Amino acid sequence: EAGVAQSPRYKIIEKRQSVAFWCNPISGHATLYWYQQILGQGPKLLIQFQNNGVVDDSQLPKDRFSAERLKGVDSTLKIQPAKLEDSAVYLCASSARVQGFGYTFGSGTRLTVV
Amino acid sequence: AQSVTQLDSHVSVSEGTPVLLRCNYSSSYSPSLFWYVQHPNKGLQLLLKYTSAATLVKGINGFEAEFKKSETSFHLTKPSAHMSDAAEYFCVVSVQNQKLVFGQGTRLTINP
Repeated sequence: EAGVAQSPRYKIIEKRQSVAFWCNPISGHATLYWYQQILGQGPKLLIQFQNNGVVDDSQLPKDRFSAERLKGVDSTLKIQPAKLEDSAVYLCASSARVQGFGYTFGSGTRLTVV
Repeated sequence: AQSVTQLDSHVSVSEGTPVLLRCNYSSSYSPSLFWYVQHPNKGLQLLLKYTSAATLVKGINGFEAEFKKSETSFHLTKPSAHMSDAAEYFCVVSVQNQKLVFGQGTRLTINP
């Protein structure tokens, strides 16, 4: 089966600019996750969707980050305005069930804010 | 809240020797535990998972881990390291169908 697709692979922007990342999960996977992985750290969950509804966004900096999953399929994560500390790899994952196993991760988008 | 602590940020072993990556967890409930591997510029790959069945869990590529409730540990082992095992390894905990919580990672280096 096709994996989780993410684009772009790399992005460099200046601080205060905006940026958007796209994720297409595995077909039929109802649950979609966005993680932020800062260099030298483990991934941290930003937001979890079940179909097109938000299950957990407790660690999403809502003043600058937003995410949507229209039609319960692909998803977009946006940062506006970006800060230097947003430099990280943004990972998308999907699973067929809400439980934490059976995840499939995408290769991620590496964001550099200068 | 649940958490994991990976006791070594970097482990270096020679090819053909055993690998031990240490992980302790903290959880108020019965946890599900996982090990993921991340090769450079690649996505995260599941090595193995523990979900309250057998305490000794076998995964891919010869890795295994043992769940020890009394020690709150879930250490990852492999009898004989291969050059292709060089990567970042993450211990992960999940409780009651909640989000995955990752450790800080252990970088494994294999010396020829």
